[in-house]
Amino acid sequence: QSAPTQPASVSGSPGQSITISCTATSSDVGNNNLDSWYQQLPGKAPKLLIFEVDKRPSGVSDRFSGSKSDNTASLTISGLQAEDEAEYYCCSYAGDSTWVFGGGTKLTVL
Amino acid sequence: EMQLVQSGAEVKKPGESLKISCTGSGYMFSNFWIAWVRQMPGQGLEYMGVIFPGDSDTRYTPSFQGQVTISADKSINTAYLQWSGLKASDTAMYYCARHGHGGNSIDNWGQGTLVTVSS
Repeated sequence: QSAPTQPASVSGSPGQSITISCTATSSDVGNNNLDSWYQQLPGKAPKLLIFEVDKRPSGVSDRFSGSKSDNTASLTISGLQAEDEAEYYCCSYAGDSTWVFGGGTKLTVL
Repeated sequence: EMQLVQSGAEVKKPGESLKISCTGSGYMFSNFWIAWVRQMPGQGLEYMGVIFPGDSDTRYTPSFQGQVTISADKSINTAYLQWSGLKASDTAMYYCARHGHGGNSIDNWGQGTLVTVSS
């Protein structure tokens, strides 16, 4: 099982929108609608933002949205805020009840 | 309120054994898969494996199979991650985390246990 590919970094100015991609690199990963996204602030545990491609847990801002096309899942953050500066990880189902995280994307708010 | 509370930081020497814990509260511990996730210093998240406390069904990511042992004691709502011979490369933050939403995402995380292995 290979880790999905994410860009190492993205950046945007306050108020702008950015999109982070997560591309499955093997046929046995991501071939479903189970992708999730996590935000990790420095020194903190990760936090669930999106599950099952495009569902938002209660309490997560609607500025965060998810989508998927073919083997690439995407996280879009609209109306960027300084507090969004963090590391973002996608997670895909790898089979046999196990999962695999993407390599992570560092978001810088300029 | 649902919580996962992990045991405290550990400093060990290479070759030593270690067992860290994760205790759940505020929900039916037996009914949700618990995962262990490694984060090496300055690196990303790595899914190590997962256990269903209700019947101790355990699965490992191939790269961690044989390197660690995941177990659980449902009578005390606790999951464990253990090593029989630590290496310096095991130095990392380890998170336990609950699979919620039908098992299709990790909806709650422990605070993390920092394991440092150094001679």
